[in-house]
Amino acid sequence: GAGVSQSPSNKVTEKGKDVELRCDPISGHTALYWYRQRLGQGLEFLIYFQGNSAPDKSGLPSDRFSAERTGESVSTLTIQRTQQEDSAVYLCASSLLAGGTDTQYFGPGTRLTVL
Amino acid sequence: AQSVTQPDIHITVSEGASLELRCNYSYGATPYLFWYVQSPGQGLQLLLKYFSGDTLVQGIKGFEAEFKRSQSSFNLRKPSVHWSDAAEYFCVSKGGQNFVFGPGTRLSVLP
Repeated sequence: GAGVSQSPSNKVTEKGKDVELRCDPISGHTALYWYRQRLGQGLEFLIYFQGNSAPDKSGLPSDRFSAERTGESVSTLTIQRTQQEDSAVYLCASSLLAGGTDTQYFGPGTRLTVL
Repeated sequence: AQSVTQPDIHITVSEGASLELRCNYSYGATPYLFWYVQSPGQGLQLLLKYFSGDTLVQGIKGFEAEFKRSQSSFNLRKPSVHWSDAAEYFCVSKGGQNFVFGPGTRLSVLP
C-alpha cells in the first residue's frame, strides 16, 4: 500500500500566522510521530500518538504547538502565531506497533518557511 | 536520559574506499538501534536495525553495522562506497517509547 504522506510539501507563511500540517500514516499503523528538522541538524522529537492513549507531548517546544489525531488515522500539527525560528522541515512517521521492535516509516516532510 | 552521539559531522571518502560511521549511545540497558539514510531531496530510509541476537547486522545497499555492548557503539560500515551513497546518515536508539536521533553524519564521495 501507500507510504506515509504529508501535505503540503511546502508552506510559506508570514510571521504571526497559524499553519496546519497534515500527516496520513500507513493504514493499520497504530503509532504516529512528529519530528522537526532544522537546516543541517538532526531530528527533534515533537509528539507521539499511540492508538487511543494520551499522546506524549514532551517534545513540543512551546504552547504554540499542538497536534491531534483521530483514532489511528490522519494527524494534524498546528503551529499558532508562527515565528521565524519555526522554519524547518516537519517530518511525520508511523509504525505498526509501539513496541520496541517496530520500525518507523517516514513521510517526505513539509518544508515550512516563516518570513 | 537517552542520547546518541555521532562524533563525525562530515566525512569524505573516495569512491570504492571503505567506510565506517561511528555511533555511540547512552542508555541504562541495551536499546533498539537503527541506522537511517537521508538522501538529498528524499525522505528518511531505514538501512538496518538491531534488536537482539547476532551483533553484526546486515542491511540494504551493502551496509552492515556491529553492536558492541562494551563500547556502547553501533558503527555503520560499508566495504566499498558508491557515489550514490553520498547522503546524511542518522543513528537512532529506542530505549522506551520514543526514538532518539543522533545529529547525523554527512557523507561526501569523491569520484
